[in-house]
Amino acid sequence: EVQLVESGGGSVQPGRSLRLSCTASGFTFGDYAMSWVRQAPGKGLEWVGFIRGKAYGGTTEYAASVKGRFIISRDDSKSIAYLQMNSLKTDDTAVYYCTRDKRGRDYWGQGTLVTVSS
Amino acid sequence: QSVLTQPPSVSGAPGQRVTISCTGSSSNIGAGYDVHWYQHLPGTAPKLLIYGNTNRPSGVPDRFSGSKSGTSASLAITGLQAEDEANYYCQSYDNSLFVVFGGGTKLTVL
Repeated sequence: EVQLVESGGGSVQPGRSLRLSCTASGFTFGDYAMSWVRQAPGKGLEWVGFIRGKAYGGTTEYAASVKGRFIISRDDSKSIAYLQMNSLKTDDTAVYYCTRDKRGRDYWGQGTLVTVSS
Repeated sequence: QSVLTQPPSVSGAPGQRVTISCTGSSSNIGAGYDVHWYQHLPGTAPKLLIYGNTNRPSGVPDRFSGSKSGTSASLAITGLQAEDEANYYCQSYDNSLFVVFGGGTKLTVL
């Protein structure tokens, strides 16, 4: 059974950093691209970025709203994807989901809440 | 303002058919990129409903169907049930923005 479990969320002040983890199980992690998608309070889903699988060099792409501040990485030996969030802004307050990317986003985690507030 | 435009809300009575539209442009849906649809109940993980414009993942009832034409796509739900009340999102790809979502549509079952 495919499972994705996010962790690392919490409250943080503007300008600070936070790292989220997505621990995967039930599939060969390295074979898949992984995405991060967020949902701000009262808003819709927003794609944050993705990291390609090892066959495609593990390269990354980001939404304009986070490019230069957020970094996605992966440790295939541990089946974990990371989202390093730097220079956080109040607009980054959201539930952050990790997803497995195959024919769309076919599996989603339950999400972890990040609150950026002074 | 989302790159893909969806109606904010739709509604229907149990047993009825509803459709949700997703309008894009020549740089995303019209460029030939696939459209996927997700169902999201608040407080839960979003669920893939339709992938590759028209395909249902295993376990998704055939009451849900997707279509695509030109720069738009649609999700149709027939035999509406109370459990279908949720938010629905379309998602595609864009030449310069990579992954794009619609703004979401809240379905109310009357």
